Amino acid sequence: SQQGEEDPQALSIQEGENATMNCSYKTSINNLQWYRQNSGRGLVHLILIRSNEREKHSGRLRVTLDTSKKSSSLLITASRAADTASYFCATATSNTGKLIFGQGTTLQVKP
Amino acid sequence: GAVVSQHPSWVICKSGTSVKIECRSLDFQATTMFWYRQFPKQSLMLMATSNEGSKATYEQGVEKDKFLINHASLTLSTLTVTSAHPEDSSFYICSARLAGGNNEQFFGPGTRLTVL
Repeated sequence: SQQGEEDPQALSIQEGENATMNCSYKTSINNLQWYRQNSGRGLVHLILIRSNEREKHSGRLRVTLDTSKKSSSLLITASRAADTASYFCATATSNTGKLIFGQGTTLQVKP
Repeated sequence: GAVVSQHPSWVICKSGTSVKIECRSLDFQATTMFWYRQFPKQSLMLMATSNEGSKATYEQGVEKDKFLINHASLTLSTLTVTSAHPEDSSFYICSARLAGGNNEQFFGPGTRLTVL
């Protein structure tokens, strides 16, 4: 079953703008991860944030986690056309490694 | 970095036949691998957890006799879709968990299955 809801489902922006995607989940988590998927390809791990962390940065990516609201956001700053892809959040609820994915946000960055 | 491969990358088969998909961790050992299915424009749905040397754990609603999983070594898991039907057409993706890691999974490039 799907754990996460993501919004927006689709986002279209101009190159150079920032893109923000949100993810909400239902149960307590161990950690939350963000992945990127280019059309018809496998997933690329972007960033992992643990349940006791509130914010994490990696290059142009900034992830926040609010466990009280059971939500996370992914911010991509200074977007590029190459950032065009689908972005998924995934939650891990235990140490088994099982990931439950959100519905995903399709991002289009126009050059 | 950790690399996971899948073979084949795409396959077309006739209804009623069986198809085997391989998932390999190329430069690390994975005691646990996961199999996902993704329909067009949808998210990944976890099908089963594959543990080396033991039976796979299937998610609710996934038929274990239809989707046979074998994890015979620390670097290889296979998914066999038995008696495939057109509704089994999908993108199948595996991932491998780095042993002792922080729950990070490395995903294969996926296998596109089309059943005619």
